[in-house]
Amino acid sequence: GQNIDQPTEMTATEGAIVQINCTYQTSGFNGLFWYQQHAGEAPTFLSYNVLDGLEEKGRFSSFLSRSKGYSYLLLKELQMKDSASYLCAVTDSNYQLIWGAGTKLIIKP
Amino acid sequence: DAMVIQNPRYQVTQFGKPVTLSCSQTLNHNVMYWYQQKSSQAPKLLFHYYDKDFNNEADTPDNFQSRRPNTSFCFLDIRSPGLGDAAMYLCATSKGQHTDTQYFGPGTRLTVL
Repeated sequence: GQNIDQPTEMTATEGAIVQINCTYQTSGFNGLFWYQQHAGEAPTFLSYNVLDGLEEKGRFSSFLSRSKGYSYLLLKELQMKDSASYLCAVTDSNYQLIWGAGTKLIIKP
Repeated sequence: DAMVIQNPRYQVTQFGKPVTLSCSQTLNHNVMYWYQQKSSQAPKLLFHYYDKDFNNEADTPDNFQSRRPNTSFCFLDIRSPGLGDAAMYLCATSKGQHTDTQYFGPGTRLTVL
């Protein structure tokens, strides 16, 4: 079966750095997305990785290793507004988007 | 600003009473999706349209139907809502299929009494 694993919940301190991991087992791979979802709101696009390596976008970076079936989202200089769920999603060989259940990130002052 | 709009944001219906949720987009995207998302769970794809071509997920109950009368609008009809259908319903669009980024509307939270 197809599976995306993310930690259920993480806690970090304002101003710090946090890394949210995602591992996947899918039938093929055609790209990996990270979305941010605030409570009661829709997911918003953060990043897309299809090649190995690190993609940096301001305070957020996303890394991909296809051989390991692994990605992480790195958030720097954490702000209270970063409190949200972060969803990892993978496009498989049939171009189906497989979603993880998300990691709830709690930021403390 | 180009966007995906969903109405209403909150919908309350009674058990068994049909309900329609609407989605519109100004992005002129070819693909529109409907997802169901329950608390702390991944979004679950119900179906999607590529232009007028309808694609139903195998495990989507017959209770859920959809219409796309034109490029801009897409509707989700729940014919006989059950208590288990209470969820957030998310509409998303993408320019093409495959690896194109999906852009989401704000969602409609459905409560079934």
